Amino acid sequence: NAGVTQTPKFRILKIGQSMTLQCAQDMNHNYMYWYRQDPGMGLKLIYYSVGAGITDKGEVPNGYNVSRSTTEDFPLRLELAAPSQTSVYFCASSPLKTGELFFGEGSRLTVL
Amino acid sequence: AQSVAQPEDQVNVAEGNPLTVKCTYSVSGNPYLFWYVQYPNRGLQFLLKYITGDNLVKGSYGFEAEFNKSQTSFHLKKPSALVSDSALYFCAVRDGLWGGSQGNLIFGKGTKLSVKP
Repeated sequence: NAGVTQTPKFRILKIGQSMTLQCAQDMNHNYMYWYRQDPGMGLKLIYYSVGAGITDKGEVPNGYNVSRSTTEDFPLRLELAAPSQTSVYFCASSPLKTGELFFGEGSRLTVL
Repeated sequence: AQSVAQPEDQVNVAEGNPLTVKCTYSVSGNPYLFWYVQYPNRGLQFLLKYITGDNLVKGSYGFEAEFNKSQTSFHLKKPSALVSDSALYFCAVRDGLWGGSQGNLIFGKGTKLSVKP
């Protein structure tokens, strides 16, 4: 049982480049989330989804986009990378709105 | 709006001593409270949660937390610390009153726990 899988684990981007962070879960969870973690700042919610075809903005959505075409996959798109997007990104899933989150191992992104 | 605070950036304890990592919260409705642990270069792992019921919640690896409604606190505790407990600990809260994006999980800034031999 793989749980939540994120790829890539590390990536360096140049300013203005675009990329997609992949997230897949094999637990048939309806709820999926993208967070970013910055030192001393905790985790901030970027986007979330309550099921296939349904996504909504979190606390810090600017500069990002998501899609949820299947229950399993929840990719995060960065369109025009900026240095402020240098961070560690975590994908998480949950079976319930009130349940605990299951996290992936994270994707460390550096924008230079 | 919901919020959560972890007043200590770092907690230092000696192995074998009891440990406490503090967390306070603010919500409008009933709180759903969680503790997570993060080891270096890893994702967050769930430790325990309080939804309703007994104020003392027991979780993984010998950790427990006490829900105190009057003090709006949910401190994480362990009777005897291990060196392997050294990690970053996050408290999180969800406000049961709200749906949509307002009902999502909010994380504290984290507390680094250092256990020395």
